[in-house]
Amino acid sequence: ELKVEQNPLFLSMQEGKNYTIYCNYSTTSDRLYWYRQDPGKSLESLFVLLSNGAVKQEGRLMASLDTKARLSTLHITAAVHDLSATYFCAVAPRLRSARQLTFGSGTQLTVLP
Amino acid sequence: DVKVTQSSRYLVKRTGEKVFLECVQDMDHENMFWYRQDPGLGLRLIYFSYDVKMKEKGDIPEGYSVSREKKERFSLILESASTNQTSMYLCASSRGWGYGYTFGSGTRLTVV
Repeated sequence: ELKVEQNPLFLSMQEGKNYTIYCNYSTTSDRLYWYRQDPGKSLESLFVLLSNGAVKQEGRLMASLDTKARLSTLHITAAVHDLSATYFCAVAPRLRSARQLTFGSGTQLTVLP
Repeated sequence: DVKVTQSSRYLVKRTGEKVFLECVQDMDHENMFWYRQDPGLGLRLIYFSYDVKMKEKGDIPEGYSVSREKKERFSLILESASTNQTSMYLCASSRGWGYGYTFGSGTRLTVV
């Protein structure tokens, strides 16, 4: 069974600081997704990482994938209040019989002034 | 852009009622999913469908059923609503195996 662990689960950070959210998974995969969820809203796609070493950046967020370590990171640079949200990673197992993604528990990020 | 539309944003139902939550996607996606989301419990998969009339149970199917009569529409049915089914329900679709999901805007269901 594929397990996806995110840490930390809760993160408070000051505006202007940098931090990294980690997503570890337990089985072979080469597709990983990051989503953002604002309070009371649904999930929006942020990044798709499709190969080892993939790096994607948008604004103050940068995501990377290391398939050998089974690890993805979401790095936040110079945080601003607008980044406050819950961030989920989701992994597609390499087994083609599995049709669904497995989601991490989410990291609730609060950016403080 | 793919759109996934959930018919209701907020819904209040009485205990024992039969409840239908509708989800429609407009990009010919193969797979459709129903999740519920509760504080501290993350996303929990209720049911999914990989083709018309095909369905598979997810992690928490008890008390729910689904219907997929047309490729674009996936309905979640609460046969007899109970207060412990008060939750945010999220529908999603994907092109196929391993592809990312597009989520609907969610339905916040309250059962009183």
